[in-house]
Amino acid sequence: GDSVTQTEGLVTLTEGLPVMLNCTYQSTYSPFLFWYVQHLNEAPKLLLKSFTDNKRPEHQGFHATLHKSSSSFHLQKSSAQLSDSALYYCALSDSNYQLIWGSGTKLIIKP
Amino acid sequence: GGIITQTPKFLIGQEGQKLTLKCQQNFNHDTMYWYRQDSGKGLRLIYYSITENDLQKGDLSEGYDASREKKSSFSLTVTSAQKNEMAVFLCASSIRADTLYFGEGSRLIVV
Repeated sequence: GDSVTQTEGLVTLTEGLPVMLNCTYQSTYSPFLFWYVQHLNEAPKLLLKSFTDNKRPEHQGFHATLHKSSSSFHLQKSSAQLSDSALYYCALSDSNYQLIWGSGTKLIIKP
Repeated sequence: GGIITQTPKFLIGQEGQKLTLKCQQNFNHDTMYWYRQDSGKGLRLIYYSITENDLQKGDLSEGYDASREKKSSFSLTVTSAQKNEMAVFLCASSIRADTLYFGEGSRLIVV
């Protein structure tokens, strides 16, 4: 069946350094991929969604590129901010009613 | 914009007790979900509903019941609370499995 893998459970970075959170997937279809972010004591919310036309989605300085050849949708940002500290989930849509979720990566940004 | 309201925010019960969480949405979305969030394990689907009076089991449905009384509300019952069930329960709604909108969560505490 479909699956999503986030290999890093915890990533700790210094403010100003680049961020990359890994996400790879397995699917028999061409799914949509998503990144959701959850700040402490808040609800998860959508950060990015892949496009069908290979455009690179961007939001709040974050971007992700869907690479079908490597089945990846890594999340990147050129310069981390303290406010980026949060839990990040990668997910794929099975084009039905369910999202398949990765296990999440906790990002901590230190001054 | 819409909102997802989960009640109560904290639910404290005794071991073996039947406990119910409620969720209301005003997005007019057809699909609603209940997830359980445990640290390091991501979001695990308990139940979802694609329309009023519909119920579909997720991977974690054992030990839970759900009810979609009307389009705007979706409740989850823990049939016999156990101490290892202490977690955060998240309700969400969407149009199919595109963007999910989450509530802020309900924390279950079993004493």
